[in-house]
Amino acid sequence: DTEVTQTPKHLVMGMTNKKSLKCEQHMGHRAMYWYKQKAKKPPELMFVYSYEKLSINESVPSRFSPECPNSSLLNLHLHALQPEDSALYLCASSPLGVDYGYTFGSGTRLTVV
Amino acid sequence: GENVEQHPSTLSVQEGDSAVIKCTYSDSASNYFPWYKQELGKRPQLIIDIRSNVGEKKDQRIAVTLNKTAKHFSLHITETQPEDSAVYFCAASSGRGSTLGRLYFGRGTQLTVWP
Repeated sequence: DTEVTQTPKHLVMGMTNKKSLKCEQHMGHRAMYWYKQKAKKPPELMFVYSYEKLSINESVPSRFSPECPNSSLLNLHLHALQPEDSALYLCASSPLGVDYGYTFGSGTRLTVV
Repeated sequence: GENVEQHPSTLSVQEGDSAVIKCTYSDSASNYFPWYKQELGKRPQLIIDIRSNVGEKKDQRIAVTLNKTAKHFSLHITETQPEDSAVYFCAASSGRGSTLGRLYFGRGTQLTVWP
């Protein structure tokens, strides 16, 4: 299995809702990432997990809460989002550092209404 | 931190022509330079990458060159086809230490190949 799987593919949520995005990989990668991407812009790094520990938080608002329950799973919990948080949320994984096969998931298209 | 500049932001070519996209980086510690292709509504896909101990790498119609002294690297696509139309992102990383896992992206180039 050489895929990073993200669910759901599409999500519409209200500003008072709580939802979660899920990311799964079975490649044995020990680094996992969340990115946010607006249309025709580069992905913006949000969080990096290394060996299931949060190693980078790019000053992301607390309404985004990451969780790494085990080495294969990465979640992003969403609460009280704003319309400007609407974007494509990409998960990625890599074995160690980025130069060992960085793989993106297909993303979750999030719309906040 | 690292700063990656990418040019041009849009590029239109006729089918069969070559396309060149250029990137510069600021951190001399960066040692890994991937290129991603992203079609509309899809994930970024790695198309080619180069490490700092190599000056050039080719894969069929795609090549990447790296000039460490000048801190720039370029993507070359020959014999372009309409299916090459996409947004292309360059990136740089040192992949080590406090920046482990950090990819610094350029702003992207929208390539359009006209039949």
